[in-house]
Amino acid sequence: DAKTTQPNSMESNEEEPVHLPCNHSTISGTDYIHWYRQLPSQGPEYVIHGLTSNVNNRMASLAIAEDRKSSTLILHRATLRDAAVYYCILRGGSQGAQKLVFGQGTRLTINP
Amino acid sequence: DAEITQSPRHKITETGRQVTLACHQTWNHNNMFWYRQDLGHGLRLIHYSYGVQDTNKGEVSDGYSVSRSNTEDLPLTLESAASSQTSVYFCASSESTSGRGADTQYFGPGTRLTVL
Repeated sequence: DAKTTQPNSMESNEEEPVHLPCNHSTISGTDYIHWYRQLPSQGPEYVIHGLTSNVNNRMASLAIAEDRKSSTLILHRATLRDAAVYYCILRGGSQGAQKLVFGQGTRLTINP
Repeated sequence: DAEITQSPRHKITETGRQVTLACHQTWNHNNMFWYRQDLGHGLRLIHYSYGVQDTNKGEVSDGYSVSRSNTEDLPLTLESAASSQTSVYFCASSESTSGRGADTQYFGPGTRLTVL
């Protein structure tokens, strides 16, 4: 199964941009790249997803490498509320369309 | 507003007892999922359902069962609770898509279960 690799932890300052990397070198052509985050003591919440092109929404941007073997979640201006564990997940194709397979994620700390 | 709820939010039980955790969603989603999360770990899939009368085993299904009699509910039953099942349990739902993996899952707030 295609897997993702993320740093265990990252740290940033409030109101600065944050770039969260994800490697997925064995991604298949039909796999979507999803990002979820989990705030302390809450269930995961959807952040963004994409297939080939870069994507933007009100929460974040997703930059996908041309070869699709890596992607970056971009928080344009981090707030304290963005402190969470961020999960990069592949969906569809080799992963099975409906299921989410969570890895360890990246724990993001935001300094005031 | 549509939502997904779980009950109870906290539960303490004894080894060997049967426990049922409730999950209810009002989005009319076909797909529903149960995950568990242990300290220091990501979420692991227990069971999932793609529609009424459909259930499937996930990666950690031993000791758990589910049944889907309507669209809104997917209760999770621990037949004989064990201390190893102490965990936080999350329910999720999503719409059916073409099966291509573009759907979004919406998670409930979780149930913290302690088995003594």
